[in-house]
Amino acid sequence: GENVEQHPSTLSVQEGDSAVIKCTYSDSASNYFPWYKQELGKRPQLIIDIRSNVGEKKDQRIAVTLNKTAKHFSLHITETQPEDSAVYFCAASIRNYGGSQGNLIFGKGTKLSVKP
Amino acid sequence: DGGITQSPKYLFRKEGQNVTLSCEQNLNHDAMYWYRQDPGQGLRLIYYSQIVNDFQKGDIAEGYSVSREKKESFPLTVTSAQKNPTAFYLCASTSGQGDLPDTQYFGPGTRLTVL
Repeated sequence: GENVEQHPSTLSVQEGDSAVIKCTYSDSASNYFPWYKQELGKRPQLIIDIRSNVGEKKDQRIAVTLNKTAKHFSLHITETQPEDSAVYFCAASIRNYGGSQGNLIFGKGTKLSVKP
Repeated sequence: DGGITQSPKYLFRKEGQNVTLSCEQNLNHDAMYWYRQDPGQGLRLIYYSQIVNDFQKGDIAEGYSVSREKKESFPLTVTSAQKNPTAFYLCASTSGQGDLPDTQYFGPGTRLTVL
């Protein structure tokens, strides 16, 4: 089955710097890659996602890149702010056209700390 | 994601007791999921249901049970067979229809503590 590995487990940056979190996946059939942000004690919330027919997607300060050949995808946060401090999770799943969606397999998370 | 509710927010269980966690959604979603979250472990899938009256075991189903009698509701029972149930439990749902991947929305979670 699918396995998702996420690095680093913790990341500390200075406010204004960029942060990059990387994930690798094992199943080449995976075609959907969401990223979730979870603040302490709260629910995970989707911040951006990418499908396998796209190599990069951007939403303001957040971008995700996908390398299908190498089976890895990355989250990029630019101009970090203290409110970006949270745990970030990557995930992968398979969506079968005309069929059901496979379950999300999550990475173990990255705790991002942005220092003012 | 405001359409998914979980109750209670905090739950305390004595050893040997069964407890039931509630999950309700008003998003008309077909698929519902239960995850367990432990520090440093990410989210691990306990059970999922793609449609009413049907559910499947996830990666860590031992010691848990579920039912899906209504589309809106997917309660999780933590039985006495679960040896280490202290964790944060998250319920989620997706539309489950169409050809494109759809977003998985999470409830606010229930924090279960065994006394």
